[in-house]
Parts: sequence; structure tokens; C-alpha cells
Amino acid sequence: QVQLQESGPGLVKPAETLALICSVSGDAVHRGDYAWTWIRQSPGEGLEWIGHIHHSGTVYYNPSLASRLVISSDASRNQFSLRMTSVTAADTAIYYCARGHFDTVTGYSAWFDPWGQGIRISVSS
Amino acid sequence: QSVLSQPPSVSGTPGQRVTISCSGSSSNIVGNFLFWYQKVPGSAPKLLISRNNQRPSGVPDRFSASKSGTSGSLAISRLRSEDEADYYCASWDDSLSGHVVFGGGTKLTVL
Repeated sequence: QVQLQESGPGLVKPAETLALICSVSGDAVHRGDYAWTWIRQSPGEGLEWIGHIHHSGTVYYNPSLASRLVISSDASRNQFSLRMTSVTAADTAIYYCARGHFDTVTGYSAWFDPWGQGIRISVSS
Repeated sequence: QSVLSQPPSVSGTPGQRVTISCSGSSSNIVGNFLFWYQKVPGSAPKLLISRNNQRPSGVPDRFSASKSGTSGSLAISRLRSEDEADYYCASWDDSLSGHVVFGGGTKLTVL
């Protein structure tokens, strides 16, 4: 059974960098055709896709966030991570990591399963 | 403003059938699979419908979906109180080098 677990600081100051880690068990981030994904939900808002990293190292980012993002993976620890710079109150959200599916014929998709339980991140001084 | 458009809310009584629409464009829904997620407060989103109309194992057959052109819809029949949740559609979008887009979400209230 594949499980994902987010970890991170909980509280970040404005203008600082948010760093989150997603630990994966039951699967390997460096194998298989999956897109290891970050998604968030701000208070009172809908779901927002942040970006993903494929096992090949290819990354895709939300165009509206791309300039502040780095998603990377660590095969030795079976983790992938998110770094978001220059955070503001608008980045306050629950951040989820999820396994996205990649099909060799149809490519990337919005197929995310399973998900981590989510981690609540607040940006405040 | 979300790239995929959903009604903010729908409601129904137990036993009824409700539908939730999802409208997109040629860069997303037309050429890519449409997915649906159920989001209950305090829980992670759950995959409800995969690849336009496929129900993952464990999802009741009361849930069904379809896609045509630039839009899709989710139908929930024999409505139950536990179906009260937020529902999101999602698709890959081929514009701007490619990214995922979500609908704004639809709050289902079971009266």
C-alpha cells in the first residue's frame, strides 16, 4: 500500500522560504511512470496544483507560481520536496503531496492517487 | 477565477439524482482525460472518477461521469447524506508548456 506523508515547519514568516518534504512508502520515487505532485488548498478556496517531478527528473510547475518554486526528489531517502521562496499570506494553505500518474501514450494527467493527509502551513510574522 | 468552471453549489434530497457540470476549453478537457475528486472537510481529496468515466475500486456505482467536447459532468444518483462534500473536476492543460487545472469546486448539500 502506497502512503505519502508531508512534513514541514507549520509556520513561515513573510518573505522567507517554505520547505516541505513528502516521504513515500510502498513505492519508489525514482522508479515507475509517476509524477510526484504538490497541491494546495487555501482557506475557503479550491484546490490548486503547484507542480510535479517525474522520476526522470522532469519538472512541471504552475505557471503562476513557477518563478518561486523548486521541486526536487531524493531517491536515497525516497522523498520529494517543495521549496517556495518569498512567501506571503496568500501562500497560507493546506499543502498535499500526491502520486500523479503518467501514461506513456497519453502523457501527464490530473490523476492523483494516493494523497498525503496534508500539512497546514501558515505565513505570518 | 478557475480555468475549469463549476457551479458553486448544488443541492438535493436523499434518494435524488444530482449533476455537477465542468466546463473547460480546447486546451484542457477536449484533448485530455477529465478527473473528479471528492473533498470532505478535514480529509484529503479522494479520487472519485478517473479517465473521464472510470470508477476506481471502492467507489459506489451511484457515481458516474461523462465528457463531451469542452465539458464534462458528474452524476450522483440515490443521494445519501454522506455524499455531502465539495467536488472538483481536474484536467491536464496543454497551454503554457503544460500544467494541471482544477475547477473551482462545487459544494453539494444534502437537504
